[in-house]
Amino acid sequence: NAGVTQTPKFRVLKTGQSMTLLCAQDMNHEYMYWYRQDPGMGLRLIHYSVGEGTTAKGEVPDGYNVSRLKKQNFLLGLESAAPSQTSVYFCASRGGLTYGYTFGSGTRLTVV
Amino acid sequence: EDKVVQSPLSLVVHEGDTVTLNCSYEVTNFRSLLWYKQEKKAPTFLFMLTSSGIEKKSGRLSSILDKKELFSILNITATQTGDSAVYLCAVNPGTASKLTFGTGTRLQVTL
Repeated sequence: NAGVTQTPKFRVLKTGQSMTLLCAQDMNHEYMYWYRQDPGMGLRLIHYSVGEGTTAKGEVPDGYNVSRLKKQNFLLGLESAAPSQTSVYFCASRGGLTYGYTFGSGTRLTVV
Repeated sequence: EDKVVQSPLSLVVHEGDTVTLNCSYEVTNFRSLLWYKQEKKAPTFLFMLTSSGIEKKSGRLSSILDKKELFSILNITATQTGDSAVYLCAVNPGTASKLTFGTGTRLQVTL
């Protein structure tokens, strides 16, 4: 039972490069989320999805785009990476309102 | 703007001590409050609280919610070195289950 899988686990980008982070869940969850975690800032919501084909902005969406073409996958894109996007990115999913989130193991991204 | 404040920011205790971690919140709507433990990687789910005054318990960990005073506490009794982690509190305002997290309490348990 894989749960929530994030790829890649680590990545170093140069400023201006683009990349896509993939989140896959095998629990048939409707809700999926992308958070970033920075020292002293806690977890902040970037974008989220309440179902296949839907996406919405969270607290810190600027510089990121997302897509949820299939229910099990939620992609986070950086079109032109900036050093301020250096962070640990967590994907999470939730099956319903009575359940806690299940988190992926995170992606550590460094933009130089 | 929804807000979750945790205290203390960090804490060092000796093995066997009992600790209490605090979480206060201000949200426009409230559905539930959740506690997570984060070691080196992903946060792992501990408790979800929805009703005031009902204690949730799991082994040496317990938590309770006060919806009138807008806070929750997480208690850990007989602490062990394996309890060393960052403990995160989050509130679900009920809109698409978007959790708002506090910055966490870093607990270090020493021998």
